[in-house]
Order: sequence, then structure tokens, then C-alpha cells
Amino acid sequence: DGGITQSPKYLFRKEGQNVTLSCEQNLNHDAMYWYRQDPGQGLRLIYYSQIVNDFQKGDIAEGYSVSREKKESFPLTVTSAQKNPTAFYLCASGRENTDTQYFGPGTRLTVL
Amino acid sequence: RKEVEQDPGPFNVPEGATVAFNCTYSNSASQSFFWYRQDCRKEPKLLMSVYSSGNEDGRFTAQLNRASQYISLLIRDSKLSDSATYLCAVTRGGGYNKLIFGAGTRLAVHP
Repeated sequence: DGGITQSPKYLFRKEGQNVTLSCEQNLNHDAMYWYRQDPGQGLRLIYYSQIVNDFQKGDIAEGYSVSREKKESFPLTVTSAQKNPTAFYLCASGRENTDTQYFGPGTRLTVL
Repeated sequence: RKEVEQDPGPFNVPEGATVAFNCTYSNSASQSFFWYRQDCRKEPKLLMSVYSSGNEDGRFTAQLNRASQYISLLIRDSKLSDSATYLCAVTRGGGYNKLIFGAGTRLAVHP
């Protein structure tokens, strides 16, 4: 069954802790993206990667880090430097040379 | 001015009604346009791409107006199951596959 998976679905973190959100896809897509969504706002781009071992900052990269060691995987680390990390985090992927993006089910992060 | 703007709604319509949403964008270099549907606390799902010539998929019709820089989504014969938030997405001109999303328009279809 092809698709994008994200885990965990819900994540609770204490202030000052780093957490890593998982994103895996078996669609053979080259490009992968991380967004965050806050209530009443559009999706905002955190990081994106067009190819393995390469990634670029999006509009709100501060306090986040990523890696792209495998084509299928694009984990996002929310560091303690992110001042307001409580949000819905969405991973997306897309084929090379197309603009269409497909989303995983998301991870809802709450900082306690 | 925001790069992509949508009326947040909600649009409250009865079943069977026709409803239309607009989405305006600021970058004239944008090349690709999309409508996504997002159910409460779920991920956005691609509804349709928007082509220059317009496109139709069953009860849904999407159109692009480059001169006025907006895209539209028309839903005919609304169903209860159409209740959701509709997000428009536009490529950021000159960037690689980078989409800018509107905040969404909420649709509530009632019996």
C-alpha cells in the first residue's frame, strides 16, 4: 500500500526537550516537505528536500532541523530553541518536476 | 498583503446548493494552482489542480483568472459530506515546487 506515514500521531513534550517527528514515504518521490499548521492559519513551510543528502530552509526554519539520508525518510527535529512548537506538523512529498504535493496524516505536537 | 488570501467563511449552505470560493494570489509569476480539502484535524487532500483552461471533476469546477490573479472553486449540488475546509495552494514563482497555502475557507452543508 503506497503512501506517506508519520509517527507518532500525538506527541507531548516538556519544555526544553528536543523531539523528532518521523516521516516515511514509499511513493518513490524525490521531494519531501515539512509544514506546520496553526489554528486559523495556512500551512507554513519549515524545510524541504529535493534530493537525498540535500535540504533547504523554508519560511520558518528557526528552531527546527532535518536530515535526508534516505530517499524514503525525512525526519524533523523540533529543538528546544523553537519558541512556540505546539502545532500540527504535516509532511508532504512530490515527484520531481511536478508541483503537486501529497500529505501524510500529520503529527500533533503539544508542549506541556 | 498576504501572498495567498481566502475568505475564511464559514459558508453555510443547504444540501443541493451551489457554492463558490475564490482565492487571490499576489505573485504574477506563480505557475501552478491547486485546491485541497481538509477535514477537521486531518491532513489536506488534493482535490484538484487548476489549469489555465479550467477543469471539472464531477460536481467540482476549478478556474484560473490570471489577469485578476485569482482561482475559484465551484461546488454544485452540495452534499453533507462536502463540509470541510478548502485550501488553495499556489506555487511561489521562481521557486522549486514551493507551495504557498491560503488559510482556508470553511464550508458547512446542512440538511
